[in-house]
Amino acid sequence: GESVGLHLPTLSVQEGDNSIINCAYSNSASDYFIWYKQESGKGPQFIIDIRSNMDKRQGQRVTVLLNKTVKHLSLQIAATQPGDSAVYFCAENIRETSGSRLTFGEGTQLTVNP
Amino acid sequence: NAGVTQTPKFQVLKTGQSMTLQCAQDMNHNSMYWYRQDPGMGLRLIYYSASEGTTDKGEVPNGYNVSRLNKREFSLRLESAAPSQTSVYFCATKPPGSGKTQYFGPGTRLLVL
Repeated sequence: GESVGLHLPTLSVQEGDNSIINCAYSNSASDYFIWYKQESGKGPQFIIDIRSNMDKRQGQRVTVLLNKTVKHLSLQIAATQPGDSAVYFCAENIRETSGSRLTFGEGTQLTVNP
Repeated sequence: NAGVTQTPKFQVLKTGQSMTLQCAQDMNHNSMYWYRQDPGMGLRLIYYSASEGTTDKGEVPNGYNVSRLNKREFSLRLESAAPSQTSVYFCATKPPGSGKTQYFGPGTRLLVL
């Protein structure tokens, strides 16, 4: 079936470096993509989203890039800090007649080394 | 404004016991969702409710039932718990309209022995 997945399960970076987390999706009907951050013992927290008619969106220290040609999504974190250590999930939103639903990728564990 | 709250935070059950996980939101959102998260995996949708009075199956509904009691509350029931249902359960809500993200509760950790 169609799914959302991540290329790398773990990513380790030095404090101050930029981080790039990747995601591949396969459902061309998805109209909206979201990145979530999940810290240990907590629920997922919204970071940034992007509509399918956009290819780039920037937030505070984060940028999401969407390449619909190859069905690829990435999250870039600038000047990564220890507080950025968490699991990052991408999710795609699929609209159905009964409502919309999210499909999540497996997640990437980001570790920031001081 | 508490957002999305879940009770209990942690529960241990024996195989065959039943229990209800509670979720409540004070954001006046129409849609509510129940997910489970297993170690090293993303979230999988169990059931969702697009609006009060409606519920639909998600990816992994077997062994669960839900009730959308009113706009604020969406409960998840395990009638006869199994060890395979050991997981962390998250409730989420979404405001109306397209392109809106979901907001998650803190989770309920369930251990079935």
